[in-house]
Amino acid sequence: NAGVTQTPKFRILKIGQSMTLQCTQDMNHNYMYWYRQDPGMGLKLIYYSVGAGITDKGEVPNGYNVSRSTTEDFPLRLELAAPSQTSVYFCASSYSTGGETQYFGPGTRLLVL
Amino acid sequence: GNSVTQMEGPVTLSEEAFLTINCTYTATGYPSLFWYVQYPGEGLQLLLKATKADDKGSNKGFEATYRKETTSFHLEKGSVQVSDSAVYFCALLYNQGGKLIFGQGTELSVKP
Repeated sequence: NAGVTQTPKFRILKIGQSMTLQCTQDMNHNYMYWYRQDPGMGLKLIYYSVGAGITDKGEVPNGYNVSRSTTEDFPLRLELAAPSQTSVYFCASSYSTGGETQYFGPGTRLLVL
Repeated sequence: GNSVTQMEGPVTLSEEAFLTINCTYTATGYPSLFWYVQYPGEGLQLLLKATKADDKGSNKGFEATYRKETTSFHLEKGSVQVSDSAVYFCALLYNQGGKLIFGQGTELSVKP
């Protein structure tokens, strides 16, 4: 089992560029999440999904978009990159809610210059 | 609203010292509580959890007890090792889409 995988590991973007952060899980989990982690801060939820075709906003969704066409994949899209989006992005998944453990990917470090 | 507050770091200890990292929470209802650990350059891993009051979670020598009366979930370990050096996150989960609320993290550095 690979668990949760994320690509790329690291990326530098120029202001105004766009990119997609990829996330795939092979545990057949219904729930998937995107978080960002800023230095010295905890993780903030960007978007989440409770199943294929269903997504919803988290705490900090502005500047991002998501889609969930399959159970396995949950890509995060940045349309017009801004320096404020410089962060480490983590994808996570869980089978359900109510005390279920969330499993995290290794993260994508994004630098916007 | 729901929130988690952790003691500020960094915390620096000598090997075999006793560790306490304080965590308190504010939440409506009865959340589940978690400690996650992040080793350098890696993603978060679940360390332990407790789903109801008075439950004790334990793993790898770490333990934490869900105290509803003090709204706390302090992390403890009797004898830390250099390999325990990491950032520790306290988190709560409330049943609205499984959204975790994280504390700001506490960096632990253990010196030989």
